[in-house]
Amino acid sequence: GESVGLHLPTLSVQEGDNSIINCAYSNSASDYFIWYKQESGKGPQFIIDIRSNMDKRQGQRVTVLLNKTVKHLSLQIAATQPGDSAVYFCAENPGGTSYGKLTFGQGTILTVHP
Amino acid sequence: KAGVTQTPRYLIKTRGQQVTLSCSPISGHRSVSWYQQTPGQGLQFLFEYFSETQRNKGNFPGRFSGRQFSNSRSEMNVSTLELGDSALYLCASWPATGGYNEQFFGPGTRLTVL
Repeated sequence: GESVGLHLPTLSVQEGDNSIINCAYSNSASDYFIWYKQESGKGPQFIIDIRSNMDKRQGQRVTVLLNKTVKHLSLQIAATQPGDSAVYFCAENPGGTSYGKLTFGQGTILTVHP
Repeated sequence: KAGVTQTPRYLIKTRGQQVTLSCSPISGHRSVSWYQQTPGQGLQFLFEYFSETQRNKGNFPGRFSGRQFSNSRSEMNVSTLELGDSALYLCASWPATGGYNEQFFGPGTRLTVL
């Protein structure tokens, strides 16, 4: 049968606003989480990571929050800029012998209006 | 330091043919992972190589294979191409020196199967 494409969630914000992108992960054994940004025609670019022994980590203009109880990740981008427009993916890794295997979420399209 | 490079960037093949894609990791990185990205399925893990050995494998048919050379460069091969193999194939490398490390992605090879 015909395959149905993923319908990615979208988030549209004004320049200067704060953005929050959410992600539900599937594996309760996952030990490491990463947020990637993918611009059109490019490969995913690392934004920030967090390990399961933390619930918050901050970078430059970005913060990742991890709630293991409900298997939820969020990425907060402060003072969003037009250059932040991209698709954002969360990825999880169970560790152990599977360090090299990332399981990606479906992605969220962020559009920033000037 | 040069990033992950992938060749070719674009490929057009017909059903039934086979294709080989190449990935050169960042200097010093010992592990290479491959991912397939399609609008229908998103980003899916294909396999991971470390020290010339396949360490992890995703849920893809045997038509998808890969290898890694002593200099950490990697190739993946898809035999008997099907229309559904049309995708962006992404390669990622990471140091694999122990524990968790971010994976650095290349720009991908866009494969179109006609």
